[in-house]
Amino acid sequence: GAGVSQSPSNKVTEKGKDVELRCDPISGHTALYWYRQSLGQGLEFLIYFQGNSAPDKSGLPSDRFSAERTGGSVSTLTIQRTQQEDSAVYLCASSHGTLRGYTFGSGTRLTVV
Amino acid sequence: GQQVMQIPQYQHVQEGEDFTTYCNSSTTLSNIQWYKQRPGGHPVFLIQLVKSGEVKKQKRLTFQFGEAKKNSSLHITATQTTDVGTYFCAVPNSNSGYALNFGKGTSLLVTP
Repeated sequence: GAGVSQSPSNKVTEKGKDVELRCDPISGHTALYWYRQSLGQGLEFLIYFQGNSAPDKSGLPSDRFSAERTGGSVSTLTIQRTQQEDSAVYLCASSHGTLRGYTFGSGTRLTVV
Repeated sequence: GQQVMQIPQYQHVQEGEDFTTYCNSSTTLSNIQWYKQRPGGHPVFLIQLVKSGEVKKQKRLTFQFGEAKKNSSLHITATQTTDVGTYFCAVPNSNSGYALNFGKGTSLLVTP
């Protein structure tokens, strides 16, 4: 597509429920990244995929967080047993190779109540 | 990973005044990127600097990379209300290798 697409744009979930966030990167972009941004804060790195290589999961805050990227394209970020501190905007970005500028999606605003 | 300090945290200027935000690292950087995030929006890539002492211009925006590649600045000449937003610098995450660490950003407010 023309840009990075994320869905849903907003998600309200009850504490303890699992959620799945989807990212559809720009076609041909080999690198895909997940970040989260809490209200008024900077961007926190979560996970990075590059081509068919094993993902870099060094930023995932706990084992409740996982992500996969199928066929080198669409990615899903899963948060199990959500907690209130998981509330944030989850941003996906893609780039054409590494060390290039990112194109961000519009994000998914997650609210855990 | 590599951390960057970004200052100031906030800046409020009158339209037409200049604005500068600074990004400082304790270690030498291979490159640095700058992003702009409008209120309610997502970060948008502005530029990447790679060379020591590099200066790049985009209309009223001037980006500099220090000689020692440990600091960078973004200068906006004669601000306009359309410049409102948060400006982030981002540097390679040494742990990840390829992902970026973002500074906390400088929020710019421009009043007409």
